[in-house]
Amino acid sequence: DAKTTQPTSMDCAEGRAANLPCNHSTISGNEYVYWYRQIHSQGPQYIIHGLKNNETNEMASLIITEDRKSSTLILPHATLRDTAVYYCIVSTSGTYKYIFGTGTRLKVLA
Amino acid sequence: DVKVTQSSRYLVKRTGEKVFLECVQDMDHENMFWYRQDPGLGLRLIYFSYDVKMKEKGDIPEGYSVSREKKERFSLILESASTNQTSMYLCASSSAGTALNEKLFFGSGTQLSVL
Repeated sequence: DAKTTQPTSMDCAEGRAANLPCNHSTISGNEYVYWYRQIHSQGPQYIIHGLKNNETNEMASLIITEDRKSSTLILPHATLRDTAVYYCIVSTSGTYKYIFGTGTRLKVLA
Repeated sequence: DVKVTQSSRYLVKRTGEKVFLECVQDMDHENMFWYRQDPGLGLRLIYFSYDVKMKEKGDIPEGYSVSREKKERFSLILESASTNQTSMYLCASSSAGTALNEKLFFGSGTQLSVL
């Protein structure tokens, strides 16, 4: 299974874009990149996922490099409510192994 | 919206007790999961189930068992609770099939303390 590497913590000013990087250098061709976040005392919440194309939804954008060895989650206008731990994981369609790791603790500052 | 409900938010048990953690999902999902979350270790998969009465071990199954008698319910059982099983337990579910449907939906978690 591919593993991911994320910075332990990051700060971002409110209203600015938050760019959260993730390395997944051993990702296989059929493995998707997923992002979840966990706000304190709650279960993780799905944000976005992709295979090789960039993706955007109402919550965030996901930029995946051409070699697929890394990706960036972008929160375009961070708010205080975006303060959370963000997890980047990879999984293969049809398997059940979602390896979460320890994630990036994002703090949005007023 | 998918709802994954865990029976207890907080639970305190004594060493040696048999403990049941219950999880119910309301979206007819095939897959259900149990994770534990500890500071500095992230989420670790204990067991998962892809169908009624079917189960597979995750990364840390020792000391745990599971039961899935109905599609909507997945129980985690600590046969004889120990202090090192003090943790946050998270249940999740997902639909089977393509990756588009495989996003996980989590419950709010059960903080278990074993004294």
